[in-house]
Amino acid sequence: EDQVTQSPEALRLQEGESSSLNCSYTVSGLRGLFWYRQDPGKGPEFLFTLYSAGEEKEKERLKATLTKKESFLHITAPKPEDSATYLCAVQARGSTLGRLYFGRGTQLTVWP
Amino acid sequence: GAVVSQHPSRVICKSGTSVKIECRSLDFQATTMFWYRQFPKQSLMLMATSNEGSKATYEQGVEKDKFLINHASLTLSTLTVTSAHPEDSSFYICSASDLAGMNTEAFFGQGTRLTVV
Repeated sequence: EDQVTQSPEALRLQEGESSSLNCSYTVSGLRGLFWYRQDPGKGPEFLFTLYSAGEEKEKERLKATLTKKESFLHITAPKPEDSATYLCAVQARGSTLGRLYFGRGTQLTVWP
Repeated sequence: GAVVSQHPSRVICKSGTSVKIECRSLDFQATTMFWYRQFPKQSLMLMATSNEGSKATYEQGVEKDKFLINHASLTLSTLTVTSAHPEDSSFYICSASDLAGMNTEAFFGQGTRLTVV
């Protein structure tokens, strides 16, 4: 069964304090791993797609990396506006394009 | 990225009534859309896959007669919660992918907060 586990559940950082979020996955053939940001009461906002082990992608203060078993979302020098829930999802080969299995997310709070 | 619009963003209804939620792809055609449900501090749980011009595919445990899905055009899918009860109160979110370029990213609507009183 395809599974996605995210840790930690919640993370509090002081502004400027870098850290990483973890996403461990088990999937029967990975088509892609996705990171989303979700603000309270909103739908998820797409951040990154990673397709193969060793791949890295960056966007502003965020950097996503992928291995065969897990992905990390590195946050460098975060700001309060980075506070949100970060969701990891996988898409399995053979599944309908666009169908995702989500983890529970990491709730990030960045305080000034 | 592609834009998916969901309406309404919030709805309050009386127990026993039905509520319709719309999901539109604004700048691309979506032969397939997905409907998710999210409880507080929980993950998004896939409810069903909406297929243009054919019947939706429901996940195990999701009542198809309770959650009616219609995907009548390439840009619109609707989810109707029939005979709503307080336990149906939740956050409902749709997604779609722009498959014309074989893109795998799924883009999400803004979500609909349903409260049944």
